Amino acid sequence: GAGVSQSPSNKVTEKGKDVELRCDPISGHTALYWYRQSLGQGLEFLIYFQGNSAPDKSGLPSDRFSAERTGGSVSTLTIQRTQQEDSAVYLCASSLGSLAGWDGEQFFGPGTRLTVL
Amino acid sequence: RKEVEQDPGPFNVPEGATVAFNCTYSNSASQSFFWYRQDCRKEPKLLMSVYSSGNEDGRFTAQLNRASQYISLLIRDSKLSDSATYLCVVNLGSNDYKLSFGAGTTVTVRA
Repeated sequence: GAGVSQSPSNKVTEKGKDVELRCDPISGHTALYWYRQSLGQGLEFLIYFQGNSAPDKSGLPSDRFSAERTGGSVSTLTIQRTQQEDSAVYLCASSLGSLAGWDGEQFFGPGTRLTVL
Repeated sequence: RKEVEQDPGPFNVPEGATVAFNCTYSNSASQSFFWYRQDCRKEPKLLMSVYSSGNEDGRFTAQLNRASQYISLLIRDSKLSDSATYLCVVNLGSNDYKLSFGAGTTVTVRA
């Protein structure tokens, strides 16, 4: 079946502009995660959606970052007034998310490489 | 202190060699442990889960030491295709779906 997809694959923007990154999780996966990965660094957790529960936004680095998940499926990560330090690969992942079905595996999309000039 | 710490390497080994490395985690309440693999400029993919009694998957062996809060991965008979970054991954608490990823250990297998 289809895996996690993300768009765009690459985004180059100017400092101060807003960007939207999109994630389509695997159908039926209730949990969705956003991470970012800077060059040579580990994955930094940003936000987590689980079903209809309020999202865990504890990883968002500033109020310029926000995310939505509409209808329990597609998610959009928005970065307002981008800064150069926002340049990174933004990865989305989904998992089954239920205690009964969760074996810990998160399925990652290919990521969006964001470059802020 | 980071939630998950790994030796970044790189570990440069010849084909056929055995390579092993550890990671440590800080949250004693963690219940789920994994090794993910990330190839250069690709997304991470699950390599294997780590069970309390230790487990093997082909040439890969994972061990968990709860008392010392570390996880290990051993690769036997290394192949060129094993060259990758291996991420140690731990959940943040019992029944917690959030995972904390280590920065990774880079392994390079040479011919």
